[in-house]
Formats: sequence, C-alpha cells, structure tokens
Amino acid sequence: DAGVTQSPTHLIKTRGQQVTLRCSPKSGHDTVSWYQQALGQGPQFIFQYYEEEERQRGNFPDRFSGHQFPNYSSELNVNALLLGDSALYLCASSLGRGHTEAFFGQGTRLTVV
Amino acid sequence: KQEVTQIPAALSVPEGENLVLNCSFTDSAIYNLQWFRQDPGKGLTSLLLIQSSQREQTSGRLNASLDKSSGRSTLYIAASQPGDSATYLCAVRPGNQGGKLIFGQGTELSVKP
Repeated sequence: DAGVTQSPTHLIKTRGQQVTLRCSPKSGHDTVSWYQQALGQGPQFIFQYYEEEERQRGNFPDRFSGHQFPNYSSELNVNALLLGDSALYLCASSLGRGHTEAFFGQGTRLTVV
Repeated sequence: KQEVTQIPAALSVPEGENLVLNCSFTDSAIYNLQWFRQDPGKGLTSLLLIQSSQREQTSGRLNASLDKSSGRSTLYIAASQPGDSATYLCAVRPGNQGGKLIFGQGTELSVKP
C-alpha cells in the first residue's frame, strides 16, 4: 500500500503564475481533502472532493480550485499566485464523506517569489 | 465557530520521562478527534483516532483520552525517546460541518538523550 502520494515535492513559482498540485489517495479511499499549512501553524482546510464534486470549502478565495478524477486522484490549482500562498500543501484521503480516519501525504512545499 | 488550542506550544523533556500533551476545543459537537505527528517539513502521520462515543484509545506507548463535555483531549506518551521528537497536532471533525478537520497549532516536543 503506497499510502497518499503527492507531487511534486517542492515547487518554486513567480508571483502571478499558476500552479497545479497532484494527489493520489490511499488505496480504497474515495474522498480527498486539501489543506494549506503556513510555517509554524496548523493546517487550514481548503476544500474536499467526493464523487468528483467539491463537497465542502474552507475560507479560501476562488483562485483556489480543484478537481477529482474517476480514479479518485485529485488536483489543486492556484491562479494568480501571491507571495502569501507560499506554504506546505497537504492532501488527505479518507473513506466516505471524511468521517473516518484521515491519512495525509508528505506534502508539496510551494515557494512563491 | 470551532476553535482548537494546544498547550504548551513547545516542550522539552529528558529521555524516559512520561509526558502529557493537551488539546482543547470550544464546541463539543464533534464526530471524532485525531492526533497526528509531524516531522520538520514533512506530512502528517496519524497516531490515534477517537470517536465521539469513545473515552480513550491506545497504541503502543501512546494513549489518547477524550472528554467531549469539557472540550478536552490529552495525548499521553510513556517512556519518551529521542525519536519521539516532533510536532504533535490534534484535530477535531465538527459534527455539523462535513468531513473537514480543524487543527490546533501543535506542540513541538523535544526529547533530550
């Protein structure tokens, strides 16, 4: 069991650019959630995908969007990058609507310069 | 609005000591509470999941308790080891807000040899 895998591991982008982060859930899981973690802070919920639809969204602007594919993998897209978007982006997978144990990937470190 | 607080923010103990990490939350209407470990720059590793109907869960040297009525959870680590050094995060899954997790800011633990 490969667990939750995220790619890429690290990424450097210029302010104003767009970025796409990818996540493959743990085998057997059908729900994917994305979190943003600033340095020294706890993760903040961005949104959750289940059955290829966004089911729940945190307090993040529309510049943050996502997608879930039929194989349950997911993408997080961020447009018009700001310096403040620099953070560790974490993907979590679970079974069902997310009321079961959540398993996290190793994260993608995004640096905006 | 659910808020999660972890005290202390940092803790340094000598090897072999038993220790307790604290987590408090403001709204007792939760589905479950999950404890995680995070090594520097890495993703989250799930340690224990306590359902709202449970009082405690144990895994090896770890024991987590939950008192929903008082809005508190503790993570007890027995016979601490240098390899336990990491940031420990607790997260609650609110009962009326779908599957998202709300995190505390974490307790950074350092176990000295």
